[in-house]
Formats: sequence, structure tokens, C-alpha cells
Amino acid sequence: AQSVTQLGSHVSVSEGALVLLRCNYSSSVPPYLFWYVQYPNQGLQLLLKYTTGATLVKGINGFEAEFKKSETSFHLTKPSAHMSDAAEYFCAVRKANDYKLSFGAGTTVTVRA
Amino acid sequence: NAGVTQTPKFQVLKTGQSMTLQCAQDMNHNSMYWYRQDPGMGLRLIYYSASEGTTDKGEVPNGYNVSRLNKREFSLRLESAAPSQTSVYFCASSEVELAENSPLHFGNGTRLTVT
Repeated sequence: AQSVTQLGSHVSVSEGALVLLRCNYSSSVPPYLFWYVQYPNQGLQLLLKYTTGATLVKGINGFEAEFKKSETSFHLTKPSAHMSDAAEYFCAVRKANDYKLSFGAGTTVTVRA
Repeated sequence: NAGVTQTPKFQVLKTGQSMTLQCAQDMNHNSMYWYRQDPGMGLRLIYYSASEGTTDKGEVPNGYNVSRLNKREFSLRLESAAPSQTSVYFCASSEVELAENSPLHFGNGTRLTVT
């Protein structure tokens, strides 16, 4: 199975500070990569998805992710955190010839006023 | 546009009881999925259906069965519920083209407690 690792189960940031969530995948061939967000008691919403050939992908709500093939990473950032960014974030990967989407364990973000 | 609809939203079962979780999508997607979410473990794939008429096991299929009733509907059945199946269950759908990075669209989940 495709493996995806999210470093840090909890991240706490101050409002206005940088948000950095780390995701690494285990594959010699870059898979399809996604970031999802889950607000309390809701389903998962797509934040952004990797586009072949891009190194920086922009998503909704001011988030973006940088793809680094040499580091097999797809880290998520937002320059300035807002209280509404408090949620759980999931990195997910899918091989190009596979229907199955595999998720990381998730990172919970709390934003301090 | 409702997207992916799951019923029920909440359910409490006693050990050994059976139930079926229902899922329907109105986006004309070919692929449908069932995941379970447990704290600290992310989402784990139970079963999926790449297209109408096909189903395949995911990472954690034991204790579950599925039925792809038609293109819109994909149900998950617990024949004899166990406390280990206490979880939040998510249905998802996707117009997955294997050559494209099509995302999954999720329902709002069913919170199941088995006592």
C-alpha cells in the first residue's frame, strides 16, 4: 500500500503566524497528492491537489503546498493563520494506476488568539 | 446539489446486531468508497467500487460487506457488530480517471457506537 506520513499530530500556532504541516510519501514515482481539511463533525473537503509539473500548488483559503520530488514531500503552508483554520488536516496519496486513496494520520491545528 | 448523502448520521448498536449504512451520490461518479476514521489513524479504506458492478477490498475489510446497488448507491453492511467497529464511517465518490488526479468527494459521515 502507498504510505504517507504526516509529521506531528498536533500543531498550535498564534493567529497571524505561519502554518506549516508536513507530509512525506514513500514512492519512487510521484503519486497523485492531495490535502484535505476536516472541520469538527463534518466530512473532508479538498484543500488542493498536486498538478503534474508544478512545484507550488495553490488551494482554497490561502493554503498552498510545495512539491519536492527529491525529498518525497508535499508540505502544506499558509502564511498567516486565522481562527477559522482550526481543523484537522489530512495528506493523501494515490498511485497513478490505482483507485485507492491512502491517508496520513492527520494533523490537528489549533489557533491561539 | 446534495453531493454525497449518508444515512443515518448516528447509530448505536449492541454487539451482534446487524445494520446497513446507506450512501448515495448525485454527481454521476463512477467510483465509490467506504472509509472508517479512528483517532490517530486517519482514514482507512474498507471497500471500494471502481465502477457499477464491481467491488474490491481495501485495507480493513474484515467484518464488513458492501453492495453497489446501482451507479448512485453504495451500501456498507455490518452482519454482526463488534465494539471494535465503533468508528465514524465516511462514504466518498470520485470520477476517477486513472490518468488524472481526480479528488474524492466525501459525505458527512455516520457515527456508529457498538456497545
